[in-house]
Amino acid sequence: DAKTTQPPSMDCAEGRAANLPCNHSTISGNEYVYWYRQIHSQGPQYIIHGLKNNETNEMASLIITEDRKSSTLILPHATLRDTAVYYCISSGNTPLVFGKGTRLSVIA
Amino acid sequence: NAGVMQNPRHLVRRRGQEARLRCSPMKGHSHVYWYRQLPEEGLKFMVYLQKENIIDESGMPKERFSAEFPKEGPSILRIQQVVRGDSAAYFCASSPNRQTAGNTIYFGEGSWLTVV
Repeated sequence: DAKTTQPPSMDCAEGRAANLPCNHSTISGNEYVYWYRQIHSQGPQYIIHGLKNNETNEMASLIITEDRKSSTLILPHATLRDTAVYYCISSGNTPLVFGKGTRLSVIA
Repeated sequence: NAGVMQNPRHLVRRRGQEARLRCSPMKGHSHVYWYRQLPEEGLKFMVYLQKENIIDESGMPKERFSAEFPKEGPSILRIQQVVRGDSAAYFCASSPNRQTAGNTIYFGEGSWLTVV
């Protein structure tokens, strides 16, 4: 079973920042937080991952709380093409376990 | 660099036939993972392989399903005597090294199996 909790769905206006929360209160010391997304009928796409420091790349930013029990994925300027299911995963040495994710709808 | 390549993208089989799904990992990757996604459900881990070695098959159904990753050639997920409940999208992912904390795996575009 997935060890993370995410809201089932969210809406975001096009051009605004999308902030997707994730709870991982049972995360252990060596486990990273990963984010993937899946656009309809496509394979999961890696977005970003981190251990305890905030991370940023060309796609998104990942903010991890100091106690590591939750994190937020930020898409700074959401576009219609960002409409997808977003998965937050905490994992160490085992294959990634996907939960139900958050269905993000970007609205024009 | 080519990504993870899966074929066929779409496969139709009659009940009782065999289905073979192939996965070529990214260049330089020697570890392969197979996931299954049933309609309207999440991705479920099936099996994790290194070349010539199954590392973790805890998610594989006990019967009819097998996987291999030979020294040469793609990884193969084989489903014998398919039933309608096997209709799903099968995704392959790869990584350069053994699954450890901080490693990233990259997915292919999937193979959609329809059993009629």
